[in-house]
Amino acid sequence: QQQVKQSPQSLIVQKGGISIINCAYENTAFDYFPWYQQFPGKGPALLIAIRPDVSEKKEGRFTISFNKSAKQFSLHIMDSQPGDSATYFCAASITHTDKLIFGTGTRLQVFP
Amino acid sequence: NAGVTQTPKFRVLKTGQSMTLLCAQDMNHEYMYWYRQDPGMGLRLIHYSVGEGTTAKGEVPDGYNVSRLKKQNFLLGLESAAPSQTSVYFCASRPRTPFTGELFFGEGSRLTVL
Repeated sequence: QQQVKQSPQSLIVQKGGISIINCAYENTAFDYFPWYQQFPGKGPALLIAIRPDVSEKKEGRFTISFNKSAKQFSLHIMDSQPGDSATYFCAASITHTDKLIFGTGTRLQVFP
Repeated sequence: NAGVTQTPKFRVLKTGQSMTLLCAQDMNHEYMYWYRQDPGMGLRLIHYSVGEGTTAKGEVPDGYNVSRLKKQNFLLGLESAAPSQTSVYFCASRPRTPFTGELFFGEGSRLTVL
């Protein structure tokens, strides 16, 4: 049972385009939603995170959009660059608990 | 600052063999985790520990055991390896509070079971 559903599984974008990755969840107790970025041969690293009391958070070219009523959140990468080519994971957790639940991952390839 | 270090980085086992993966962190973190990563399945939590001497089961604990005898080390053991345990294993750690959603990951250990 996948508590956090992520799509698409893979994504190919041209340099300068917008990359969009979507996630959905069922457990309304989740109250923290981070995104992780993983380069080949490396461990995942925190990219950006959001709490459900805001609808959008932007850090540079990366933006999280959050729709609490639909129980969905998404990562937008503006002006995508070849250096953004990596696997992206959405995740969810409940404050004061011990665990972070990950989505299935999206492999992003940005071509020049 | 080494962060989270996993050993070994690669290992090939035969079915039925046993082995231990070692995770060491130098950040004085209380919480440590073992995840496995498989294509199309993301990162799944195997076991975790909230402090020295404590462990708890995650989503996929069967076939694995763990120990946290020292705060800086978290060991993952496979008692009798099976081909289904072929995977990339990641260790992660974090401080107790506040939880910002950030786990600090090692670079992974690739295990192949023949």
